[in-house]
Amino acid sequence: DAEITQSPRHKITETGRQVTLACHQTWNHNNMFWYRQDLGHGLRLIHYSYGVQDTNKGEVSDGYSVSRSNTEDLPLTLESAASSQTSVYFCASSDASRTDTQYFGPGTRLTVL
Amino acid sequence: DAKTTQPPSMDCAEGRAANLPCNHSTISGNEYVYWYRQIHSQGPQYIIHGLKNNETNEMASLIITEDRKSSTLILPHATLRDTAVYYCIVRGRFQGGSEKLVFGKGTKLTVNP
Repeated sequence: DAEITQSPRHKITETGRQVTLACHQTWNHNNMFWYRQDLGHGLRLIHYSYGVQDTNKGEVSDGYSVSRSNTEDLPLTLESAASSQTSVYFCASSDASRTDTQYFGPGTRLTVL
Repeated sequence: DAKTTQPPSMDCAEGRAANLPCNHSTISGNEYVYWYRQIHSQGPQYIIHGLKNNETNEMASLIITEDRKSSTLILPHATLRDTAVYYCIVRGRFQGGSEKLVFGKGTKLTVNP
């Protein structure tokens, strides 16, 4: 069955370290999204991509970057992790013709000490 | 982007209908109303969406008022597994025709035995 996976599921890192969170989907969806979720803020969009080599900034993109070299993967990189980036991160994907129905991964809980 | 207003929490008895309201008074004519839910520690799950007419699927019904300024998500026979945070979302539009979902804080629905 097609699915969307995230790894690692839990990560603890130190301030200043570079961290990469992986997202992999097997639906062959063109659209992929990264969100973060914090208490009191709901889900906020970090970056999104509408296809290979396409990336766009969301509402909270500072300190994050993404690259899309193939259809299946959209890794999220924290160039220099900060304590404010402690959060739960969700990846999602959707078909190009149905951007409404986004399928979400199980999430990655990141703690920056 | 149009904004939505939802009550922060609601309770419902198991087996009864759960009616979750949402106000979106600034919705534009071409914007859809979407509902997602998030069960504790899981990624959000798509439920239903609509433009003008009422919609029904295997999970829920969506009632949109004639002026489109508000809507109600109906879970006809709520179960304990429906306990979750429910998000009412109006689809925004970026430049270039790209679209994204903006998640607010949602309604925490608790289904009681």
